[in-house]
Amino acid sequence: SQTIHQWPATLVQPVGSPLSLECTVEGTSNPNLYWYRQAAGRGLQLLFYSIGIDQISSEVPQNLSASRPQDRQFILSSKKLLLSDSGFYLCAWSGVTGYEQYFGPGTRLTVT
Amino acid sequence: AQSVTQLDSQVPVFEEAPVELRCNYSSSVSVYLFWYVQYPNQGLQLLLKYLSGSTLVKGINGFEAEFNKSQTSFHLRKPSVHISDTAEYFCAVSKSGGSYIPTFGRGTSLIVHP
Repeated sequence: SQTIHQWPATLVQPVGSPLSLECTVEGTSNPNLYWYRQAAGRGLQLLFYSIGIDQISSEVPQNLSASRPQDRQFILSSKKLLLSDSGFYLCAWSGVTGYEQYFGPGTRLTVT
Repeated sequence: AQSVTQLDSQVPVFEEAPVELRCNYSSSVSVYLFWYVQYPNQGLQLLLKYLSGSTLVKGINGFEAEFNKSQTSFHLRKPSVHISDTAEYFCAVSKSGGSYIPTFGRGTSLIVHP
């Protein structure tokens, strides 16, 4: 069966510090991968999606970036965090058809 | 482009009562429809999906939803809720025939009181 991992689970970082969140998927190949952010009390905001290695699309211009160094690994990064980057970050994957998505447990990021 | 409207941001209900969470969508093409549940501090979990076939779809945890094409709705129902159903529920839509990007509603918070 397929599983998706995210780490760390929680993170407290000062403003201006770098960020690296990691997501890996097991039990499937060539998944579509997604990064979402949830601000407190709000819905899902799609940040990045990838339909293959070296194929990453950004949905929202900001100080975040994403990379996919391996087929089942998706990394969210920032060089300098802002207060507004605080939120709950969710990684998800879908199969080739791209229909239903399967979400990881999330990372709670607090920028202080 | 498609859009999803979840009409209620919060639905309070007593335990063992029935509940309906409303979802309406708009799209110029055929769509696939989904409901997800998110428990506090967790990721989203797929409850059920409509791709084709019977318009009444049964999902996990006793939930079901009915696709109504004429009313462009996909309401989620449960005949008797439990305290453990307290969570955030998201409706989502994808274009049929290939779209990697679903559109999510803003979510409905279901609060079950004892």
